[in-house]
Amino acid sequence: QQQVKQSPQSLIVQKGGISIINCAYENTAFDYFPWYQQFPGKGPALLIAIRPDVSEKKEGRFTISFNKSAKQFSLHIMDSQPGDSATYFCAAKGAGRRALTFGSGTRLQVQP
Amino acid sequence: GAVVSQHPSWVICKSGTSVKIECRSLDFQATTMFWYRQFPKQSLMLMATSNEGSKATYEQGVEKDKFLINHASLTLSTLTVTSAHPEDSSFYICSASGVGDNEQFFGPGTRLTVL
Repeated sequence: QQQVKQSPQSLIVQKGGISIINCAYENTAFDYFPWYQQFPGKGPALLIAIRPDVSEKKEGRFTISFNKSAKQFSLHIMDSQPGDSATYFCAAKGAGRRALTFGSGTRLQVQP
Repeated sequence: GAVVSQHPSWVICKSGTSVKIECRSLDFQATTMFWYRQFPKQSLMLMATSNEGSKATYEQGVEKDKFLINHASLTLSTLTVTSAHPEDSSFYICSASGVGDNEQFFGPGTRLTVL
């Protein structure tokens, strides 16, 4: 019940396109859903996060869509740029634990 | 966002030796710190959670006698890999959060190579 399932494993998008990464969870006690970006050899950096009381949150080119009934959330990167090429992790937290449960990661490659 | 540092950024050691990795929160008080390890092209695996002044809580399967965690102050946690072996070679990442914070701030990671 602590799992967060992430797809796809890898993604290739053309410059200017939309990148979409999906995550699904089982534990309805999760109440915080962040997305992290990680470049090779670096630690993850928080991109954007959402709580289950809203269905969408947008920050710049990054948008989280949240579907509470389906227990799914997704990251949309609009106008994808080569500099967005990185690994993206969704995560979830709650159920009395302070630790994050991470998805398996998506390697995004944005082609120029 | 808040800044978390790790030292060293990389370390190479001989099998059987111990290695200490430091994690510092530079501009906030970290009541809780987390240690993760990450193998190439894989996700982050939580090793342990530590609260300032108390013993760390280790995840199932993580040897607490091998991975010693100390969180003696609100700005510093250390991970000591004792009697390191080549299979301990990995990328170790810490994160920190403040009182009541959902957000975790990650350090840049430490690459450990055991020969």
